Amino acid sequence: DTEVTQTPKHLVMGMTNKKSLKCEQHMGHRAMYWYKQKAKKPPELMFVYSYEKLSINESVPSRFSPECPNSSLLNLHLHALQPEDSALYLCASSSRVAGEDTQYFGPGTRLTVL
Amino acid sequence: AQKITQTQPGMFVQEKEAVTLDCTYDTSDPSYGLFWYKQPSSGEMIFLIYQGSYDQQNATEGRYSLNFQKARKSANLVISASQLGDSAMYFCAIKSRNTGKLIFGQGTTLQVKP
Repeated sequence: DTEVTQTPKHLVMGMTNKKSLKCEQHMGHRAMYWYKQKAKKPPELMFVYSYEKLSINESVPSRFSPECPNSSLLNLHLHALQPEDSALYLCASSSRVAGEDTQYFGPGTRLTVL
Repeated sequence: AQKITQTQPGMFVQEKEAVTLDCTYDTSDPSYGLFWYKQPSSGEMIFLIYQGSYDQQNATEGRYSLNFQKARKSANLVISASQLGDSAMYFCAIKSRNTGKLIFGQGTTLQVKP
């Protein structure tokens, strides 16, 4: 089973709201990722967690706050977002960060910031 | 630094015919992995096929095969017997064994005509 789940599927929020995106995998993977994808563009890496510790932050603004409560779960907390943050947010997981392990993606959350 | 180039922004293919999607890459890493993903309009990034840089044989996965030419730094995806459900955006990606980062190309939109 190579399933990564993400909730919610769609999210509309105002610039003053606080919301969270959730990602879950039960493949025993120890690396989890957040990507941001604008329409017709490739995904852009935001954060990488390895063994539940943040290992890469690609200079993402602090209004995005990741959290990895356990090895199966990854959250992305959103606060004071801007309209330009509207995008598809993809979560992925792989056995480990290093090496050539395949990253498996979830279905994504389509975020609209009003 | 690593780079993926996909020179075909859009492609058309007749149903049941084969199609080749081009991908060239640039890397200074001695060991790397090459991946192809499919992204339908629903947004989910679906893993299709993987080729390791030291693999002697071209990877195959059902109707998908990867034409790997290491000296030319190309990793073209061949889809045989195209189906209407193959209509999607296709991304080529390279992963460094050392950093673990997945670098995507700009993508190719494939439309299968009935």
